[in-house]
Amino acid sequence: EVQLVESGGGLVQPGGSLRLSCVGSGFTFTSFYMCWVRQVPGKGLEWVAHIKQDGREQYYGDSVKGRFAISRDNAKNSVYLQMNDMRVEDTAVYYCAVKGQYYFNHWGQGTLVTVSS
Amino acid sequence: EIVLTQSPGTLYLSVGEGATLSCRASESVSSSYLAWYQQKPGQPPRLLIYGASNRATGIPDRFSGGGSGTDFTLTINRLEPEDFATYYCQLYERSPRYSFGQGTKVE
Repeated sequence: EVQLVESGGGLVQPGGSLRLSCVGSGFTFTSFYMCWVRQVPGKGLEWVAHIKQDGREQYYGDSVKGRFAISRDNAKNSVYLQMNDMRVEDTAVYYCAVKGQYYFNHWGQGTLVTVSS
Repeated sequence: EIVLTQSPGTLYLSVGEGATLSCRASESVSSSYLAWYQQKPGQPPRLLIYGASNRATGIPDRFSGGGSGTDFTLTINRLEPEDFATYYCQLYERSPRYSFGQGTKVE
């Protein structure tokens, strides 16, 4: 069974930084792109970033480009999201997901990030 | 940037009824790039349909997807109590980027 467990969420002040982690199990981690998708509570979904299997290519949504960085450690079956210069509008539940060809076929339970002074 | 518009915003139905949910793209897209998800309160989304019409693993056959070009539909035959949820369509673009519709809630 595929499992994705996120951690690292919490309260951060505007302009601050936070690092999210996601550990995957039950699948061959090195065979898949990994992603982060976020959701403002009660609102819709927004793709944040994804990273290629070997970590050498990363792609970002326009709203986070230049502020967020996705990385992975295949030895630890883990993917990370470093979030810098955070804004109130970054407040959301952040989901880690396994990317299929053009879709997201497995999701974690999410971790809540709140940006507030 | 292609915009996905889902309608209606909320669908009021009863157990046993059928549901038809719409997802319209602002320009023509490949059906290979269109997926549907179900999300229940407090849970992550679950992949239902990919490539516009292919059911994901373990998805009951009362769920079906169709459409092409700019108009796509998710059909749920004979609603079960567990089907009351919010449904999102999602598109891949070649930038690459991914976008979601705003969702349809089935109540």
